Amino acid sequence: KAGVTQTPRYLIKTRGQQVTLSCSPISGHRSVSWYQQTPGQGLQFLFEYFSETQRNKGNFPGRFSGRQFSNSRSEMNVSTLELGDSALYLCATKGGTGHQETQYFGPGTRLLVL
Amino acid sequence: SQQGEEDPQALSIQEGENATMNCSYKTSINNLQWYRQNSGRGLVHLILIRSNEREKHSGRLRVTLDTSKKSSSLLITASRAADTASYFCAQAGNSGGSNYKLTFGKGTLLTVNP
Repeated sequence: KAGVTQTPRYLIKTRGQQVTLSCSPISGHRSVSWYQQTPGQGLQFLFEYFSETQRNKGNFPGRFSGRQFSNSRSEMNVSTLELGDSALYLCATKGGTGHQETQYFGPGTRLLVL
Repeated sequence: SQQGEEDPQALSIQEGENATMNCSYKTSINNLQWYRQNSGRGLVHLILIRSNEREKHSGRLRVTLDTSKKSSSLLITASRAADTASYFCAQAGNSGGSNYKLTFGKGTLLTVNP
């Protein structure tokens, strides 16, 4: 099976702009989670989608949003970008709903906000 | 914060030596997972240990879990230069129902010198 893919891999934006990142899960995986990784805060959970519904949400402002399509592909959007949004954004997918399952991570999208 | 802590933050050893990394967490868990990340790339799942397990092996990896102390350790035996990476523990908490998210520690940067 092909792995988790994320596009774009690298992105440079300026403050105030918005950005949309995409994640395509492993075929058959219906759960997609998003994480933000920064040197200061480490890896932090943003949200999880399953069957087009957001099931779980981390402690991020409303500028961070996401959605999932019927083919399980997911997008996350960050509006009114701030310098502190510069980070590696990772998505992770898994096949079912159980907590015993492994999450498979994509390579990430590195966002730089100038 | 529910975030766990890894110890040490950085570890430098010679090829062939063993590397031990520790992880402490704060809340009850369903399982604890260890991931590896090479230089700003995506995370790779290494091993999962359930809350009712005390020790687990996978190749050169050995993971222990002490739920009374809320701690886990990852041992890499006979390390290789290719093991150089950041290692993260992630706790899968019980957030109720089928929801599932990982809470990551800050990671241990392991450098294996040839």
